[in-house]
Amino acid sequence: DTEVTQTPKHLVMGMTNKKSLKCEQHMGHRAMYWYKQKAKKPPELMFVYSYEKLSINESVPSRFSPECPNSSLLNLHLHALQPEDSALYLCASSQGSSGRRETQYFGPGTRLLVL
Amino acid sequence: GNSVTQMEGPVTLSEEAFLTINCTYTATGYPSLFWYVQYPGEGLQLLLKATKADDKGSNKGFEATYRKETTSFHLEKGSVQVSDSAVYFCALSDQAGNQFYFGTGTSLTVIP
Repeated sequence: DTEVTQTPKHLVMGMTNKKSLKCEQHMGHRAMYWYKQKAKKPPELMFVYSYEKLSINESVPSRFSPECPNSSLLNLHLHALQPEDSALYLCASSQGSSGRRETQYFGPGTRLLVL
Repeated sequence: GNSVTQMEGPVTLSEEAFLTINCTYTATGYPSLFWYVQYPGEGLQLLLKATKADDKGSNKGFEATYRKETTSFHLEKGSVQVSDSAVYFCALSDQAGNQFYFGTGTSLTVIP
């Protein structure tokens, strides 16, 4: 099974709201990723967790706050977002073994609209 | 540094036509190479991959061969279907393994 699940599928929020995106995988993967994808563009890496520790933060604004409660779960907490943050947010996971050229498996994404 | 250059789109083909989407890469060491497909309104699905030179990845009638001498990983399919209409992304994973580098994506529309 190579499934990564994400909830919710769609989310509409105001600029003063707080919401969270959730991602789950049960493949035993130890690396998990958040990407942001705008229309007609490739995904842009936001965060990487490796063995439940944040290993890469691609200069993402603090209104995005990632959390990795355990090896299967990844959250993205959202607060005071701007309309330009509207996008498809993708979660991915990979085995996480260092020194190997990893395959990433993607979830279906959460389509976020900020009003 | 690492990068992927992908053929500009959009590409429009008639059903049963032959498809080629070009992809070339720049990387140090020996990366793995991937093609992902994104159907409208969905996430990315792994289509095929190759992990070393001369490997051929294949799936659902699509093929791509890892050519180190030309640093290429072109996607081909002999006879496209309407259901193949999607955006295709070429990507590489470097030898360290924790970062992906995506091409810009190529939109394919297949008309009956």
